[in-house]
Amino acid sequence: QVQLQESGPGLVKPSQTLSLTCSVSGASISSGDDYWNWIRQHPGKGLEWIGYIHHTGSTDYNPSLRSRVTISGDTSKNQFSLKVSSVTAADTAVYYCARAIMTAVTTLESWGQGTLVIVSS
Amino acid sequence: DIQMTQSPSSLSASVGDRVTITCQASQDIRYYLNWYQQKPGKAPKLLIYDASNLEIGVPSRFSGSGSGTDFTLTISSLQPEDIATYHCQQYDNLPWTFGQGTKVESK
Repeated sequence: QVQLQESGPGLVKPSQTLSLTCSVSGASISSGDDYWNWIRQHPGKGLEWIGYIHHTGSTDYNPSLRSRVTISGDTSKNQFSLKVSSVTAADTAVYYCARAIMTAVTTLESWGQGTLVIVSS
Repeated sequence: DIQMTQSPSSLSASVGDRVTITCQASQDIRYYLNWYQQKPGKAPKLLIYDASNLEIGVPSRFSGSGSGTDFTLTISSLQPEDIATYHCQQYDNLPWTFGQGTKVESK
């Protein structure tokens, strides 16, 4: 069973960089057809896909965030990370990491529990 | 981006009721649509993929239908454990986009 766990600061100051890590167990981020995603949910709102990374190092990002977002992987630790630069209050959200299986179908089939990040001075 | 519009935004229903939630895409997404269930304080959980295929372990009272731009999630007989928010998601085009969610509450 694949498990994902987000970690990182719960409070970030405006204009700084938000950094989160997702630790994966039960699957390897360095192989397979899986894509490793970040998704966020603003308080009381819907879900927003941020982007993903494949084990080849290939990434894709939501154009609305592309200029501020970087997703990277650390295969030695079986972790992947999210950085969002120049944050504002609008980046306050619960951030989820998730595994996408992209074969004949594409599903976000495993999720972390989510971590709340508040942007405030 | 493809816009996904769910309706209603919320609904109240009694145990045993039939519940229907709709999701409309701003353009043809064929059948590339998933449904997720999210309980308060929890991560979303995959219910249905490719518009109408039930994920393993999901009760058969859940069903999905539709193609193109119009999709439906139906709960044939609402159970207490179905109280949650339901999200549709398209994966025909990047960026993947979600509906705003439909909150199902107990009447």
